[in-house]
Amino acid sequence: GAVVSQHPSWVICKSGTSVKIECRSLDFQATTMFWYRQFPKQSLMLMATSNEGSKATYEQGVEKDKFLINHASLTLSTLTVTSAHPEDSSFYICSARGAFGWTEAFFGQGTRLTVV
Amino acid sequence: DQQVKQNSPSLSVQEGRISILNCDYTNSMFDYFLWYKKYPAEGPTFLISISSIKDKNEDGRFTVFLNKSAKHLSLHIVPSQPGDSAVYFCATNTGNQFYFGTGTSLTVIP
Repeated sequence: GAVVSQHPSWVICKSGTSVKIECRSLDFQATTMFWYRQFPKQSLMLMATSNEGSKATYEQGVEKDKFLINHASLTLSTLTVTSAHPEDSSFYICSARGAFGWTEAFFGQGTRLTVV
Repeated sequence: DQQVKQNSPSLSVQEGRISILNCDYTNSMFDYFLWYKKYPAEGPTFLISISSIKDKNEDGRFTVFLNKSAKHLSLHIVPSQPGDSAVYFCATNTGNQFYFGTGTSLTVIP
């Protein structure tokens, strides 16, 4: 399958700082990227969907000013958690899909964010 | 509102036996279904999929069955191996949306 790389795999930051997570499609052009958050023992919660070159579409309840998503190229999307708080600590996962006709999405390895 | 439901949060199976993971969905318009496998602290990996025009898809030890009238799909793993121990998510893809179930944690006992 296609490869999606997410970086960093884990990060610890101080409360009030911002953290950027990168998601790259290594061997295909990702026209659509998805960002998920997973709480312990819970399912993947879709945060937002981004198409290359356009603004992300956020799910209800997700603060777009807090979780900034940029999808500036066909191989890179970034999620920036701004002014992080301990309650933002979670496992964040991106996935990517190619052009129209792709039915599978491929996932990055996830980022464990801990805000102290 | 959960579009895709996995009602069994966990399942334990003896090595060599069959594992059956179940998934129900709400919208009869969903036309593509996927299973993902996830280890702790890793992203999900795609396992197998099925289109709504089929009722069965097989790939090695993994078979997915789709019952459209019941809006139900299942993943069969046979024979189960200890390395299959993971959380399994079913998902449906329609348009640009993916909906995931809550996951079933499978433990294969050696």
